[in-house]
Amino acid sequence: DQQVKQNSPSLSVQEGRISILNCDYTNSMFDYFLWYKKYPAEGPTFLISISSIKDKNEDGRFTVFLNKSAKHLSLHIVPSQPGDSAVYFCAASARGQGAQKLVFGQGTRLTINP
Amino acid sequence: GAGVSQSPSNKVTEKGKDVELRCDPISGHTALYWYRQRLGQGLEFLIYFQGNSAPDKSGLPSDRFSAERTGESVSTLTIQRTQQEDSAVYLCASSPRGGQPQHFGDGTRLSIL
Repeated sequence: DQQVKQNSPSLSVQEGRISILNCDYTNSMFDYFLWYKKYPAEGPTFLISISSIKDKNEDGRFTVFLNKSAKHLSLHIVPSQPGDSAVYFCAASARGQGAQKLVFGQGTRLTINP
Repeated sequence: GAGVSQSPSNKVTEKGKDVELRCDPISGHTALYWYRQRLGQGLEFLIYFQGNSAPDKSGLPSDRFSAERTGESVSTLTIQRTQQEDSAVYLCASSPRGGQPQHFGDGTRLSIL
């Protein structure tokens, strides 16, 4: 039962363009969403998060959009830089239910081409 | 240290042996989590500790898996009678008072021969 899905295993984008990574979820109890970035042989690094009371959160080049009715969120990176090449995971939690564990998607490998 | 520290970084062992993985959380973080990442997969929740509360063990895949935490510091994840399907990267994370975000260590890559 995959509650958080990232349907694109990989994405290739030209440097300077916008990268859009997508994530879908099925559990309507999820009320907090996070994006993590992971380089090989390192642990995931937190990027940006959004609460279900919002539909957008922006931090520098990173913006996360949440569409609750569609149970869909996306991460926009603009402009994309070579250092953004990594695996990106979306994650969700049901904080309102007291559940602090994160449920992760399978990840999308982003490659930024010079 | 400033971040979550895990040891060993790599562990290779024979099927049937027991292994113990260690996690030192960020100082002051009362919540500690263990996850597992199999090859090509996302992270899979294993267990969660928060202060002196009973741990949430709902993600442990079998009774061969157990974890302990000493107060609000070090945690050890023990896998008994290892099987080849236990091969994965085991990641530890911590957070203040169980809030988000969780901060991850670099993991222990476990290989069962």
